[in-house]
Amino acid sequence: GQSLEQPSEVTAVEGAIVQINCTYQTSGFYGLSWYQQHDGGAPTFLSYNGLDGLEETGRFSSFLSRSDSYGYLLLQELQMKDSASYFCAVKDQAGTALIFGKGTTLSVSS
Amino acid sequence: DSGVTQTPKHLITATGQRVTLRCSPRSGDLSVYWYQQSLDQGLQFLIQYYNGEERAKGNILERFSAQQFPDLHSELNLSSLELGDSALYFCASSALGGGDPNTGELFFGEGSRLTVL
Repeated sequence: GQSLEQPSEVTAVEGAIVQINCTYQTSGFYGLSWYQQHDGGAPTFLSYNGLDGLEETGRFSSFLSRSDSYGYLLLQELQMKDSASYFCAVKDQAGTALIFGKGTTLSVSS
Repeated sequence: DSGVTQTPKHLITATGQRVTLRCSPRSGDLSVYWYQQSLDQGLQFLIQYYNGEERAKGNILERFSAQQFPDLHSELNLSSLELGDSALYFCASSALGGGDPNTGELFFGEGSRLTVL
């Protein structure tokens, strides 16, 4: 089956850069996704990596290395509003449902 | 606003009871996914429906069942409720069976918070 590992908590200060790592084990691989969730609200899609390399979307970037079964989410110029939980996710073996990691809680302080 | 609607937003009930959670997907989306999020837990995949048919099953208990109706809305039925069933239940939708064709993106509703006392 699919499994993902990510740190449970990360802390940083405003303006800093933080990296949230994710390692995965999958039977079949269809790419790595990242979602953000504020205080138990609806998870929202942040980024997707289907191929190796870096994808950049504004202050957020995501990286994938398929050979290492590893990816990370990079958040730059941190703001207080970035305090949230961040989940990495992969598709299930059939490529249909999304399986999530347990999430990383990011706390940004001033 | 993702366009996915879940009702009720909050629900408090007692052990042994049965509840039904409802989800209306985004207009045009054929696939519905149900997830459970307990305290300090990630999003646990329960079940997926595509155009009325069950497509994938995750860690869904036998006490739980779901269906997707011809109008594409879905219901998650939770029975013989236990204290441990207290959680946020999210519904997500996508146009196709595997999420967005390019990114696999799912669109989540705001969730239904179930409290079992």
